[in-house]
Amino acid sequence: DGGITQSPKYLFRKEGQNVTLSCEQNLNHDAMYWYRQDPGQGLRLIYYSQIVNDFQKGDIAEGYSVSREKKESFPLTVTSAQKNPTAFYLCASSNMAGTQSLNEQFFGPGTRLTVL
Amino acid sequence: ILNVEQSPQSLHVQEGDSTNFTCSFPSSNFYALHWYRWETAKSPEALFVMTLNGDEKKKGRISATLNTKEGYSYLYIKGSQPEDSATYLCAPYTGGFKTIFGAGTRLFVKA
Repeated sequence: DGGITQSPKYLFRKEGQNVTLSCEQNLNHDAMYWYRQDPGQGLRLIYYSQIVNDFQKGDIAEGYSVSREKKESFPLTVTSAQKNPTAFYLCASSNMAGTQSLNEQFFGPGTRLTVL
Repeated sequence: ILNVEQSPQSLHVQEGDSTNFTCSFPSSNFYALHWYRWETAKSPEALFVMTLNGDEKKKGRISATLNTKEGYSYLYIKGSQPEDSATYLCAPYTGGFKTIFGAGTRLFVKA
């Protein structure tokens, strides 16, 4: 089955620690995304990557870092510089070949990060 | 940043009720409007994508309409069932790699 996996589902970290969230897709999509969700707000874009070895900051990139060494993988590191890291994090991918997809997003199940 | 508003924020209905909610967005630089359904403990999934003014899409008891001139879309659910309980997200697409999501309408259907 094609899809997106994220791990872990729940993550707890102590203040001041960096933590890395995993995202893997086997949909052969070029583009991948990280979103953050807070209560009462829409999904906010943290980072996105159009292609391997390339990524761009989204609207709320401060305190986060990413890498895209393989097409299938787009890990997100939440650094100690992120002031309010407790949130729900969603990874997504899209097939941007041509314009027909209109950037339809395929989502993983999410990781809930809690900073203690 | 594109301002996308969804209303109501949440909605409680009885099984069998029909319901609708709204997504409003700036009408400039518009390419498409996506609706996603996000059930608890699952991943958001695409429901519809609409591009043209006056578009209507239907999937079973759920349908959606689009007005690009005034910048809104309606999602309708006819005869709501408990399995329709979910958060419904709208997401206008204005080109490139960025899609902006509304905060969603959370629907609770009571049996």
